[in-house]
Amino acid sequence: GEDVEQSLFLSVREGDSSVINCTYTDSSSTYLYWYKQEPGAGLQLLTYIFSNMDMKQDQRLTVLLNKKDKHLSLRIADTQTGDSAIYFCAETSGAGNNRKLIWGLGTSLAVNP
Amino acid sequence: NAGVTQTPKFQVLKTGQSMTLQCAQDMNHNSMYWYRQDPGMGLRLIYYSASEGTTDKGEVPNGYNVSRLNKREFSLRLESAAPSQTSVYFCASRTAGAHYEQYFGPGTRLTVT
Repeated sequence: GEDVEQSLFLSVREGDSSVINCTYTDSSSTYLYWYKQEPGAGLQLLTYIFSNMDMKQDQRLTVLLNKKDKHLSLRIADTQTGDSAIYFCAETSGAGNNRKLIWGLGTSLAVNP
Repeated sequence: NAGVTQTPKFQVLKTGQSMTLQCAQDMNHNSMYWYRQDPGMGLRLIYYSASEGTTDKGEVPNGYNVSRLNKREFSLRLESAAPSQTSVYFCASRTAGAHYEQYFGPGTRLTVT
């Protein structure tokens, strides 16, 4: 079945770049997503990429998609302490009204001053 | 525009008690979802409602029931709570169309003793 995998922890120093990686299995996914969860809160959409794109840049965020290897990454430039959160990768699965998101377990990003 | 709201925020139940978690959205979304989030398990889909009047099981439906009361409201009921249902519960709704952005509520932290 469909599966999304990501490393569970990442620790970086403030001002460095963070790279969070994700692999997925459903090659028919039309969109791939990165959600952010801050402590004690629900998830919020951070960014997404359409499957026919290789890269998407949005301010400090860069998403890279390698469809051949089914690999997605999120790069956060100039990481700040406010970026400390859990980052979830997700792919779409199914069709029509039954389309769902398949979630990774989340990568906990710790930013050290 | 409050987005997705959930009540209560916190709840402690004894084994065997019942309760209903409430969720409402004011974004006119057709689809709504209930997830549970446990450490090391990521987000798991309990039930979803693709449109008003329909509900479907997700990955972990056992021990839960849902009601899509109207387009705005989607409730989750625990008939006889068990310690294994101790979790954080998130309700979400989504936009229509191919782009699959889900909007999450703030969560309900449930402890079953």
